[in-house]
Amino acid sequence: DAGVIQSPRHEVTEMGQEVTLRCKPISGHNSLFWYRQTMMRGLELLIYFNNNVPIDDSGMPEDRFSAKMPNASFSTLKIQPSEPRDSAVYFCASTERDKNTIYFGEGSWLTVV
Amino acid sequence: QKEVEQNSGPLSVPEGAIASLNCTYSDRGSQSFFWYRQYSGKSPELIMSIYSNGDKEDGRFTAQLNKASQYVSLLIRDSQPSDSATYLCAVKYDMRFGAGTRLTVKP
Repeated sequence: DAGVIQSPRHEVTEMGQEVTLRCKPISGHNSLFWYRQTMMRGLELLIYFNNNVPIDDSGMPEDRFSAKMPNASFSTLKIQPSEPRDSAVYFCASTERDKNTIYFGEGSWLTVV
Repeated sequence: QKEVEQNSGPLSVPEGAIASLNCTYSDRGSQSFFWYRQYSGKSPELIMSIYSNGDKEDGRFTAQLNKASQYVSLLIRDSQPSDSATYLCAVKYDMRFGAGTRLTVKP
């Protein structure tokens, strides 16, 4: 299996620009998670989906952040407009709903200047 | 807000020593607990899971769970420099993670 695939791996953008991060979960997995990791705040859960439906988005920091999962094999996390404080590594992870091991992608390293 | 707290690091131990990593959680209804290891610049990977009170051993790693105290720990025996990483505790109500403890094993 190819694992969880994220793109882009690295992005540098200017403040105010829109950023879209993409994730392809492992085939057959029906739960998908978006995390953000910084030195200051650690690994924060932003949102998770079960069967393409958002279950808990309480970790989404503000209205500038939005996430969608239009089908079982694709999800996006969008930041509009981006700010320097959004600079972080964003991880996507997936699992089969009744299983316990979640698998992480390699992360998208975002720098907003 | 359901919380997962880890003891503050960083933690440094000499090679061959026992490293002890601790985690507390807020939701008494939690049933499943996990330890992930994250090397610098890499994504987290699962190393241990535990569901019942008591100890679970896997090689040099032992996970300990005390649901009454809402406490889970990870012991690494005979620590090796290759164990140097950040260790993340996670609780499965929504796979929320603690902030992590950075461990350095010095040769």
